[in-house]
Amino acid sequence: DAMVIQNPRYQVTQFGKPVTLSCSQTLNHNVMYWYQQKSSQAPKLLFHYYDKDFNNEADTPDNFQSRRPNTSFCFLDIRSPGLGDAAMYLCATNRGAGGLFFGEGSRLTVL
Amino acid sequence: GIQVEQSPPDLILQEGANSTLRCNFSDSVNNLQWFHQNPWGQLINLFYIPSGTKQNGRLSATTVATERYSLLYISSSQTTDSGVYFCAVDIQGAQKLVFGQGTRLTINP
Repeated sequence: DAMVIQNPRYQVTQFGKPVTLSCSQTLNHNVMYWYQQKSSQAPKLLFHYYDKDFNNEADTPDNFQSRRPNTSFCFLDIRSPGLGDAAMYLCATNRGAGGLFFGEGSRLTVL
Repeated sequence: GIQVEQSPPDLILQEGANSTLRCNFSDSVNNLQWFHQNPWGQLINLFYIPSGTKQNGRLSATTVATERYSLLYISSSQTTDSGVYFCAVDIQGAQKLVFGQGTRLTINP
């Protein structure tokens, strides 16, 4: 059974049109992460939540925002997507001694 | 920041062959994970292995933390083993994984 669920799996948007990606988890883990992975590159951490505490990476563009209304859900908002934001967006939770556990990802295309 | 280097960057093998993938890291780490990224992009957790040796079927991994490297072994490769294998380490115990650039493994029938 999927424990980290991302929606949508595929998102096509137009240049500058806001997008929201969602992530939900059934594990009740207190840490959730958003990673960005561009083609043929390694995943790059955008930000993470420890409970409600938001931790932004220093080089994450202001165009990216996140919300975590409760333990189970986390959202990634891209306010004005550019062509360079086309990527796979990966959500993960912290399993503690088991490490990070990733969802299936949301692939964003910007036209 | 911590550096994570994986080798080789690309590996092409015939079905049935064995392979060894290497991950070097530049500083002490609390945790290390190996992932397989499938063709649809999902990162599948293979091993959580900050030290020692673990085995899961045809796959095994060894981390020598004092020497700052980890190895992933794949025996009797199958075409379904193809994909990109990532090593990732956490920094300062914060569970913020830093990824290597990956090894792209291609298994030909």
